[in-house]
Amino acid sequence: GIQVEQSPPDLILQEGANSTLRCNFSDSVNNLQWFHQNPWGQLINLFYIPSGTKQNGRLSATTVATERYSLLYISSSQTTDSGVYFCAARLYVNAGGTSYGKLTFGQGTILTVHP
Amino acid sequence: NAGVTQTPKFRILKIGQSMTLQCTQDMNHNYMYWYRQDPGMGLKLIYYSVGAGITDKGEVPNGYNVSRSTTEDFPLRLELAAPSQTSVYFCASSFKDRMNTEAFFGQGTRLTVV
Repeated sequence: GIQVEQSPPDLILQEGANSTLRCNFSDSVNNLQWFHQNPWGQLINLFYIPSGTKQNGRLSATTVATERYSLLYISSSQTTDSGVYFCAARLYVNAGGTSYGKLTFGQGTILTVHP
Repeated sequence: NAGVTQTPKFRILKIGQSMTLQCTQDMNHNYMYWYRQDPGMGLKLIYYSVGAGITDKGEVPNGYNVSRSTTEDFPLRLELAAPSQTSVYFCASSFKDRMNTEAFFGQGTRLTVV
């Protein structure tokens, strides 16, 4: 199956700093998502981004599907950005004419933002 | 829309007991999934379903069973609970449409087996 690798595994920032998180995937994917898991364990959808670039406030994401990576940018970080950031990739596997979409997660990047 | 709803939020089981984790979605999604997340780890796929009556195993299916009798519901059954099944369980759903397959997750069920 598809392999999804995230880097760095841990990141510590001072409030106001910028950061870039990376997600590499081993095969062609139809879809890619970024999630934020907050300290209460909730998974929050950040971006659904199979290709191209999207922005949402201080966060933006870029996926270059042909080169098999995605980047998540966090600008002017805040303490509320702390938590774990996951990327997840979906590879469509045809089986008997039916497409199945398994969403495979990376191991996550643990972000800590200090005041 | 409530989205994806999981019950219960927390549960403590004794070794050997059984239980069903409930998951329901009101978005008319075809695909539904069950994941588990062990402490400090990513999410691993237990079972998934591409529609009512169709289920298949993911990476870690041992010790679990699922059924999908309706589009809305996808319960996960634990038989003979073991300490290794202590984890947080997440249910998710998405459309089958290739142009829009964004997955949405429930709040999670924190299960402890003692």
